[in-house]
Amino acid sequence: KQEVTQIPAALSVPEGENLVLNCSFTDSAIYNLQWFRQDPGKGLTSLLLIQSSQREQTSGRLNASLDKSSGRSTLYIAASQPGDSATYLCAASNTGKLIFGQGTTLQVKP
Amino acid sequence: DTGVSQDPRHKITKRGQNVTFRCDPISEHNRLYWYRQTLGQGPEFLTYFQNEAQLEKSRLLSDRFSAERPKGSFSTLEIQRTEQGDSAMYLCASTIGGIYEQYFGPGTRLTVT
Repeated sequence: KQEVTQIPAALSVPEGENLVLNCSFTDSAIYNLQWFRQDPGKGLTSLLLIQSSQREQTSGRLNASLDKSSGRSTLYIAASQPGDSATYLCAASNTGKLIFGQGTTLQVKP
Repeated sequence: DTGVSQDPRHKITKRGQNVTFRCDPISEHNRLYWYRQTLGQGPEFLTYFQNEAQLEKSRLLSDRFSAERPKGSFSTLEIQRTEQGDSAMYLCASTIGGIYEQYFGPGTRLTVT
């Protein structure tokens, strides 16, 4: 049974700092791993999708990596901004359905 | 609008009432998923459809819950005899296939009083 864990649960950083969010999963036989952003009371916005054959994906200031052998993914955010404040969720897919971590709530202070 | 839409966005109901939610996926997406999210937790899988066929249901989906996707287009999720524990955000997502990116709707927030 796939289990996904995110550390830390919450993070507060000053504006401009580079930061890393961590995601670990127990079953390495994944199709893909997806990172999402969720603003309070809203739905999920897809940030990056990494297929099982890929090592990383980049979009703007975001870079996500995947290491299946160790069961880990990281989301790197460069030059953080107050607008990046949100909850970030990772989700692993083994059979199509997504198994989510509990999320990391990020606050970027001006 | 090319995104996933859900209706209603908010629903307040009294315990014991029935409620129905609707999800309209992105038009060319043949897979549709339902998830439930409670406060402070990540979403949990409920069920999914490949076209009109419901292919998997979570153990979270008790017999009070039923989902349909007639003609492989929009989907409905009905909860009968609602309980306070059903209060949550119900999220719908669609995709073109199991290995591809899932796109989520804005969710329906259910409050059972």
